[in-house]
This record gives sequence, structure tokens and C-alpha cells, in this order.
Amino acid sequence: QLVLTQSPSASASLGASVKLTCTLSSGHSSYAIAWHQQQPEKGPRYLMKVNSDGSHSKGDGIPDRFSGSSSGAERYLTISSLQSEDEADYYCQTWGTGIQVLFGGGTKLTVL
Amino acid sequence: EVQLVESGGGLVQPGGSLRLSCAASGFIFSSYEMNWVRQAPGKGLEWVSYISSGGTSIYYADSVKGQFTTSRDNAKYSLYLQMNSLRVEDTAVYYCARRSHTGFIDFWGQGTLVTVSS
Repeated sequence: QLVLTQSPSASASLGASVKLTCTLSSGHSSYAIAWHQQQPEKGPRYLMKVNSDGSHSKGDGIPDRFSGSSSGAERYLTISSLQSEDEADYYCQTWGTGIQVLFGGGTKLTVL
Repeated sequence: EVQLVESGGGLVQPGGSLRLSCAASGFIFSSYEMNWVRQAPGKGLEWVSYISSGGTSIYYADSVKGQFTTSRDNAKYSLYLQMNSLRVEDTAVYYCARRSHTGFIDFWGQGTLVTVSS
């Protein structure tokens, strides 16, 4: 069964970089995923798609500070030059059986 | 500019019904598959349903199958979610979300809050 696993929380200092991880369950390491950002009291926003080869394609208007990469069953979202507005929940997303959408549990990022 | 605007949320008693709407603009609505996704207070995102671009294929999460009905009117650029027999655990913000041609959600609405309580 396909499951996406994310750490519940992460923190980094203003101006620093942070790397968030989304892990695909065993046997699903070829799957692409998408990253979504949800700032407090707002709807989610699509950030990018990350393929198994590490290539990624960002949504419109997503700053260059956001990038994606992959290693095996892990998909990463790296945010550099952290800003206060980057404090948000980050969700990874893929497709399960048929057309079912699957989400990871989300990572709450705190900018110190 | 792509926009998705949900409406129709509110307070409803257990066992009641509610119909949510999502008004789309800024893109050719009939060319895109759509989803409903919900988020209970303080919780993560949960997929609710999918509808194909023409409305002929519809899928639901097991948690709402037989209880919710998704439909669309491409001429009106609108997506709908009919929710019946509502339970306290259906309390959530409901989002409509566009599925991109690569298969991932690429645009979200701002959400509408549904509260099921007596």
C-alpha cells in the first residue's frame, strides 16, 4: 500500500536553509510527488512536482528559493534564504490506486 | 489568472444536508479534472472525490462513498459537492482543487467551512 511519510515538524533560522523530506513506502520509489504549502489560515498552494530522477517543475510565481530533489524513495523540498512567510505546513501528494489522491501527514515548518 | 472560489459552507445539524459550489475562472474549465479535498480542524489534508473533465467518471473516498455526490456544470464553470446525512466528523474546510494535465493538483480554492453540530 502506498503511503507518504513526513516528519511532523521542522525548524530553521531566518535566512538559513531547510530540507523537508517525503518518503514513499516500499515498492513505490519510482513515483513522482507534488509539494504544497499551506500558510496559517490560508488554503494550500501548489509549489512543485518532483520526479524520481530529481527533476522538478515549479508552479507559477514560486520563488527560486524553493527547489526539489530526489534520492531513492525520498523526495525533498529545499527552501533557502528562509523568510518569515515560509513558516507554514508543507504537504507532499501523489496518486494512489486509480485516481485516489494521497497526502502525507504534513510538516509544520517553524522559522526561528 | 486561475481562480477557484468555494461557497455554500455553514453550520448544519447532524443528519442534515449541504451543497457546496466551486466557481472556476481563468482557465478552460471543461478541459480539467477536478477534486474535492477537506481538512478537519487542526488536521491534515484528506481527499474526498474526483470528477473527470466531462463529468462521466467520478470517484469517492471510502469515508464519504454513498453519502456525498460530486457533479459539475461545464457551461457554468462550476463544481458541486452535495453532502447528505452529515456527521460531526464531516466538520472541515472543504477545498476544490484542479488536477493538472500532469496528474497533480496545481490550483486550490480558499476553502469553505462546514460545521456539523447540534
